[in-house]
Amino acid sequence: GNSVTQMEGPVTLSEEAFLTINCTYTATGYPSLFWYVQYPGEGLQLLLKATKADDKGSNKGFEATYRKETTSFHLEKGSVQVSDSAVYFCAQLIQGAQKLVFGQGTRLTINP
Amino acid sequence: DVKVTQSSRYLVKRTGEKVFLECVQDMDHENMFWYRQDPGLGLRLIYFSYDVKMKEKGDIPEGYSVSREKKERFSLILESASTNQTSMYLCASSSGTTYGYTFGSGTRLTVV
Repeated sequence: GNSVTQMEGPVTLSEEAFLTINCTYTATGYPSLFWYVQYPGEGLQLLLKATKADDKGSNKGFEATYRKETTSFHLEKGSVQVSDSAVYFCAQLIQGAQKLVFGQGTRLTINP
Repeated sequence: DVKVTQSSRYLVKRTGEKVFLECVQDMDHENMFWYRQDPGLGLRLIYFSYDVKMKEKGDIPEGYSVSREKKERFSLILESASTNQTSMYLCASSSGTTYGYTFGSGTRLTVV
C-alpha cells in the first residue's frame, strides 16, 4: 500500500547547524510529494513540494529532491535558526486520488 | 490566500455528548478533509468529501460522521464523545491533485 516513513524524532540541533530529516515512501505509481510544517499551536502549512522524479522543491532555505530510485524525499537546510523549531511532516498524494498520506512527523528543536 | 477556518481552537466536552466541529473554506475548493493528530501517530484521515452531500470514509471513521450540505462547509460529528476521542482535529481543503492541502488551525478537543 501507500505509506510514508520519516526519521524518528525528536531532533535537537544548535543554531546554524545543517539539518536533514529523512523521508521515504512506498507507492504504486508516482505520487506527488510534500513537506508540511506545523509551528506550535498552529495547523499545518505547506513548506515545499515536488511533483515528479528529480524535481527539487525549495522554500525558506529548505530543499528536498524527489528521488525515484531510492523512493526518498529528504528535507535539508544548510543553516537552521531557532525559528525553524516545529514539527515537520512528509506526505505523498496518492496518484489518481485526492488523499494525502502523512508520515508520523518529526519534532525539531533548535537551540540558540 | 485560501483560508480554512475551524470554529473553535479549544473544546472541552463530557463523555456521551454529541459534538460538532465546524470547518469553513473560502476558495471554492471541491475537496475537504478531517484528520486527527495524535503524538507518535501523525495525521490519520477520518472522513473526506469530494463534493456537496458526498462523503467517504477515511482510515479511522468509527465513532464519527460528517455533513457537507454546502460546498464551503464540512462538519465533523462525534455522535457520543468518548475519552479516546481526545485529540487535535485538523480540517483541510484542496482543489487539485498537485497543490496539496490548505489546513485550518486545528481544534483541540478534550473529552472528560
